[in-house]
Amino acid sequence: AQKITQTQPGMFVQEKEAVTLDCTYDTSDPSYGLFWYKQPSSGEMIFLIYQGSYDQQNATEGRYSLNFQKARKSANLVISASQLGDSAMYFCAMREPLQGYQKVTFGTGTKLQVIP
Amino acid sequence: EPEVTQTPSHQVTQMGQEVILRCVPISNHLYFYWYRQILGQKVEFLVSFYNNEISEKSEIFDDQFSVERPDGSNFTLKIRSTKLEDSAMYFCASSERAGSQETQYFGPGTRLLVL
Repeated sequence: AQKITQTQPGMFVQEKEAVTLDCTYDTSDPSYGLFWYKQPSSGEMIFLIYQGSYDQQNATEGRYSLNFQKARKSANLVISASQLGDSAMYFCAMREPLQGYQKVTFGTGTKLQVIP
Repeated sequence: EPEVTQTPSHQVTQMGQEVILRCVPISNHLYFYWYRQILGQKVEFLVSFYNNEISEKSEIFDDQFSVERPDGSNFTLKIRSTKLEDSAMYFCASSERAGSQETQYFGPGTRLLVL
């Protein structure tokens, strides 16, 4: 079974609009961390936002927010006011102690294209 | 803002050759990692390193691979006798502490091409 599922291989959004990138996860560990990373075409992996499993509030970081629904095991990334520079691959990832607390497990990614 | 750096950005090598990929983690971080991303595929964990020894490794990290922290700043990944299927982007990452709540910060990657 996939640990991290990103069902949208590609998404389009109009510049200045908001977009939601879906992520669901599977774990039996009560303590885990969820992360979103951005990978532009240049290839680097940029950390965007983090949500801890015990956090009561949804994480926010500038134009990025994480819609964390623990019971549904989803951690969707919301990008508000999209910019052309947001065009990139976006990876959802999880870290869970029971699976080896050091490693981060990544989803397959969503390619976001922002249209002018 | 401190960042993880990696050299070289690109490496082309012949099959069977050895390559060493270099990383400088963020200076106050104690945990170091290597990940691999084959073109068009997802990022895969290779190994984690703490206190001068491997703390965790995946099934991908076989005897062909080794890691080392030769001095106080560099963290290297050595691939002995490279194979065509080793062609990938290799990411180094570091974190201040271990634990599920710790963020790993990634370097820009080294794109390795084995011919």
